[in-house]
Amino acid sequence: KQEVTQIPAALSVPEGENLVLNCSFTDSAIYNLQWFRQDPGKGLTSLLLIQSSQREQTSGRLNASLDKSSGRSTLYIAASQPGDSATYLCAGSGGGNKLTFGTGTQLKVEL
Amino acid sequence: EAQVTQNPRYLITVTGKKLTVTCSQNMNHEYMSWYRQDPGLGLRQIYYSMNVEVTDKGDVPEGYKVSRKEKRNFPLILESPSPNQTSLYFCASSSRILATADTQYFGPGTRLTVL
Repeated sequence: KQEVTQIPAALSVPEGENLVLNCSFTDSAIYNLQWFRQDPGKGLTSLLLIQSSQREQTSGRLNASLDKSSGRSTLYIAASQPGDSATYLCAGSGGGNKLTFGTGTQLKVEL
Repeated sequence: EAQVTQNPRYLITVTGKKLTVTCSQNMNHEYMSWYRQDPGLGLRQIYYSMNVEVTDKGDVPEGYKVSRKEKRNFPLILESPSPNQTSLYFCASSSRILATADTQYFGPGTRLTVL
C-alpha cells in the first residue's frame, strides 16, 4: 500500500527565505504528482501537476520536481511571503484513478 | 465562476440519523470524488466516479454510499452515521476520466460531527 511522508511536518521561516518541502513515497512507481495548498477552513487548491512525461513544473515562485527513481518530490518556494503561510500537501498516483495524499507540511512565514 | 460546491458546510447530527452531503460542479467534469480528512491521517479517498452511473470504492468506503445520476452532482450518503465518521469531508472533480492526470478542483469542505 502506497504511503506518503512529508518532511518537515511544520516549518516556520522569516519572510524572504527560500525553502524546500519534501515528499516521499514508499512505492517509487509514481505516474503523476500534484502539490496542493490548503488554507485554514478552506478546500485544497492545486499548485502544480507533474505528469508522467515530466520531471518538474514551475509556476511563479514555485518549482516542483519529481525523481521517479527514488519516489521523491520537492516543492521549492522562492522568496517566501506571509501570504504563503498554509499547509502544503503532495499527492501521487501510480497511474490509476486513485491519489494518495501525504499528511502535509504546515508552513508559517513570519514578518 | 468555475467551482465545486458542497452543502452543508457544517453539520452536527446524532448516531444513526441518515444524512446526505451534496456536491455539485459547474465545469462539466467527468471525474468526481469524495475524501475525508482526519488529523494525522491526511486525506483518504472514500468513493469516486468516472462518469454518470459509474462509481467505485476508494480506500475507506465502509459506511458510505454515493450515486451519480447526473454529471454535475455526486452526493455522499451516510445511511447510519457513527461517531467515527466525524471528519472533514471534501468533494473534488477533474476534467479527465483518468483523474490523476489532470488538476483536481476541491470543494470548500463539510465539517461533520456525529454525536
